[in-house]
Amino acid sequence: DAGITQSPRHKVTETGTPVTLRCHQTENHRYMYWYRQDPGHGLRLIHYSYGVKDTDKGEVSDGYSVSRSKTEDFLLTLESATSSQTSVYFCAISESKGEDYGYTFGSGTRLTVV
Amino acid sequence: SQKIEQNSEALNIQEGKTATLTCNYTNYSPAYLQWYRQDPGRGPVFLLLIRENEKEKRKERLKVTFDTTLKQSLFHITASQPADSATYLCALDILNLIFGKGTKLSVKP
Repeated sequence: DAGITQSPRHKVTETGTPVTLRCHQTENHRYMYWYRQDPGHGLRLIHYSYGVKDTDKGEVSDGYSVSRSKTEDFLLTLESATSSQTSVYFCAISESKGEDYGYTFGSGTRLTVV
Repeated sequence: SQKIEQNSEALNIQEGKTATLTCNYTNYSPAYLQWYRQDPGRGPVFLLLIRENEKEKRKERLKVTFDTTLKQSLFHITASQPADSATYLCALDILNLIFGKGTKLSVKP
């Protein structure tokens, strides 16, 4: 599986401040994704990327922006954090799994907005 | 919009028994359906993919079925072990993966 690292692992921030989460992959996978996971909602797609500078919105994109200036890095920015954005954020890449394909997820970032 | 339901939030079974988890969806059928395992504090881990033209797929003690008429997938773990305790997620491939909320499986010794 590809190496995926997310940083930071934990963050506490104040309402109204900007926050950037980073996802880094060690292989040249084209597709990268940002999900958030909340009790009662499961995993929901925020944004995804299909190449450098190519991104698109997911189901819950309001209040979030992304950038991908290099293949290996996919950044998620909360322009002005709100308490409703307290969540666990997962980055993922799509890669082959033997004869199939699947997503490989990072370890997650637990974000608390106070 | 596409909806996915994993019928049980939690499932408790005895070690050695077969665990059966259900995933139902509405609207159009995906070309692929995937199952993931998630342990507390960790990201989901890919287990199996089944295609719309495959009725059944097996991997070790895991078996997945896919019925596009019923719009349902069943996920079986045979000879379950306490180490199988985790949350299991189904996901539909509709351009990107859409996930169900998961079923938390507890296998008691």
